[in-house]
Amino acid sequence: GAGVSQTPSNKVTEKGKYVELRCDPISGHTALYWYRQSLGQGPEFLIYFQGTGAADDSGLPNDRFFAVRPEGSVSTLKIQRTERGDSAVYLCASSPQSGGRNEQFFGPGTRLTVL
Amino acid sequence: AQSVAQPEDQVNVAEGNPLTVKCTYSVSGNPYLFWYVQYPNRGLQFLLKYITGDNLVKGSYGFEAEFNKSQTSFHLKKPSALVSDSALYFCAVRDINKAAGNKLTFGGGTRVLVKP
Repeated sequence: GAGVSQTPSNKVTEKGKYVELRCDPISGHTALYWYRQSLGQGPEFLIYFQGTGAADDSGLPNDRFFAVRPEGSVSTLKIQRTERGDSAVYLCASSPQSGGRNEQFFGPGTRLTVL
Repeated sequence: AQSVAQPEDQVNVAEGNPLTVKCTYSVSGNPYLFWYVQYPNRGLQFLLKYITGDNLVKGSYGFEAEFNKSQTSFHLKKPSALVSDSALYFCAVRDINKAAGNKLTFGGGTRVLVKP
């Protein structure tokens, strides 16, 4: 079946602009996660949704970052007033449920470049 | 807090030789442990996980990993490496304690280069 998909695959923007990154999880997966991977580093947790609600947003770096999942499926990560330091690959993952035993299935990522 | 250390930035091995990628972890409670592989311009692919039970777990593509609680390690192994195993490998941990949340904490990654 279809895996996790993310759009766009690449996004180039200018400092100060607003961007939206989209994630389509695997159908039926109730848990959805966003991570950020900077060059040469491992992914870092940003936010986790169980259904429509953000169950843990402790990884969001500041209030310029926001994410929604209004219908419990597709999620959008929103970044306001982008900064050059926001440049990274943003990864989305989903899992069948929120239990810790489940592995997460990752999408290919969106590479964000802030000029 | 939970953390993962992958002490080697890169591992070089000749094709056909055994491959080991090291991982140590730190959690306040008991761990769930995972290994993922990342190929260029691709997302992370799940290889295997330790949840409970047998300390030796087997996963995809002939990989296995051994959970060692006393050494807080979860090293990834493959008896005979292939050139196609060349990729970036990430170890990840989640604390079994629900209060710690469901997020994965990843190590910095180890690049594996298998030479023909």
